[in-house]
Formats: sequence, structure tokens, C-alpha cells
Amino acid sequence: DAGITQSPRHKVTETGTPVTLRCHQTENHRYMYWYRQDPGHGLRLIHYSYGVKDTDKGEVSDGYSVSRSKTEDFLLTLESATSSQTSVYFCAISLAGGIDTQYFGPGTRLTVL
Amino acid sequence: AQSVTQLGSHVSVSEGALVLLRCNYSSSVPPYLFWYVQYPNQGLQLLLKYTSAATLVKGINGFEAEFKKSETSFHLTKPSAHMSDAAEYFCAVSDSNTGNQFYFGTGTSLTVIP
Repeated sequence: DAGITQSPRHKVTETGTPVTLRCHQTENHRYMYWYRQDPGHGLRLIHYSYGVKDTDKGEVSDGYSVSRSKTEDFLLTLESATSSQTSVYFCAISLAGGIDTQYFGPGTRLTVL
Repeated sequence: AQSVTQLGSHVSVSEGALVLLRCNYSSSVPPYLFWYVQYPNQGLQLLLKYTSAATLVKGINGFEAEFKKSETSFHLTKPSAHMSDAAEYFCAVSDSNTGNQFYFGTGTSLTVIP
């Protein structure tokens, strides 16, 4: 299995609170992705990174920011969490981007009360 | 914009029966197509992918998919369902216009009846 960990695995927080989710890889893959998974919507891309300090928005980026200061770590921040951001968040990595397989982390279940 | 349609959010088959999960995509340029499987409380893992080589792609666990450009389809099949195939299945697409982004379908939940 690809070496991808996500932390925390579960989190309950309150509306208006900042939240940071971490994705850590040991594979030295260039591309890293953050998705959210919601019933009836499948996986939707939030942000992705194509290198250290290089990031781009996905289709549901509003309310989220990301940072990648090291190859192995990709952080997703909810500046002020809302109930609509209750979801399961998955990190994925890819060696060669859009033409290549993505390897997924185990997910983080976030509940915003 | 690229999109993926998976017809049937829930599919039930009997053990030993044919599995057919449908995926149609939209793309104005040659696509890269993927099928992923998700077991409960786990992340996704690759079943198979099409990247412009052979149109019939074989994957893990006896699954295969055929790329049909004229139908813009990439349906997933397995000749004989096993209880362990019960899971959620996702089709995804990318192409040169999406940069390095992937677009996923909404998923199909497969139930296998003993």
C-alpha cells in the first residue's frame, strides 16, 4: 500500500472554528489532492498541488485553503468551519498527475456542529 | 467541462451473475479513464485504467472495462459476482484539458445477493 496517512481520522468541531487536516506521504509523489466525499456527489476536488508551494483550485474550493511547504505534507485548512463542510475528506497522491493512478489515504471524517 | 455519469446509484446482482456497472464521460479530447473501488470505511483503490492503449482493459479481481469512443462509455464488467465484490465503485476521467485534475462520477453501490 502507498504510504499515505491522514490526521486526524475523526474530528468534531463547532461552527466558526478553524480546522486543519493533514496529509502525509512517504512516496515522494509530486501531485497531492484533497477531495470531499458526500452522499450523492461522489468525490469532488477541493484543491491540488503539483509541487512544493504550487497549488491550484478544484471545483469546490470556496471556504478552503491549502499549503504545501514540503513534498511529503499537504495541509487543508477550513478557516471558519460551517455545517456544510461536514464531510469525509480524502487525500490522494499521484506520481504523474492526470495520466496516472491516484493513491488514496484512509480519510478524515469531519463533523461541524 | 469534463463530466462523468454513472447510471444506477445502486445495483444488485446474485452471486455468480454478471456484473455490469455503467460509466459515460464527456471529453472533447482523448480521455484517461479510471475505475476505483471503495470498501466500507476505506479510501479508494484502483481497479483498472485506460490510457490510450488497448481498448479492453483488464484489472484486478477479475474486472475489466471496454473503452468505446463512439459511445463515450467505459463500462465495468465481471463475469461472475462474488460476495467480496460488494462495495462502492467510482468512474473517473481526466484529459489534457483538465490539467492534472480528475472528475469523478457519483458512484454505484454494488450489492451481491447470496
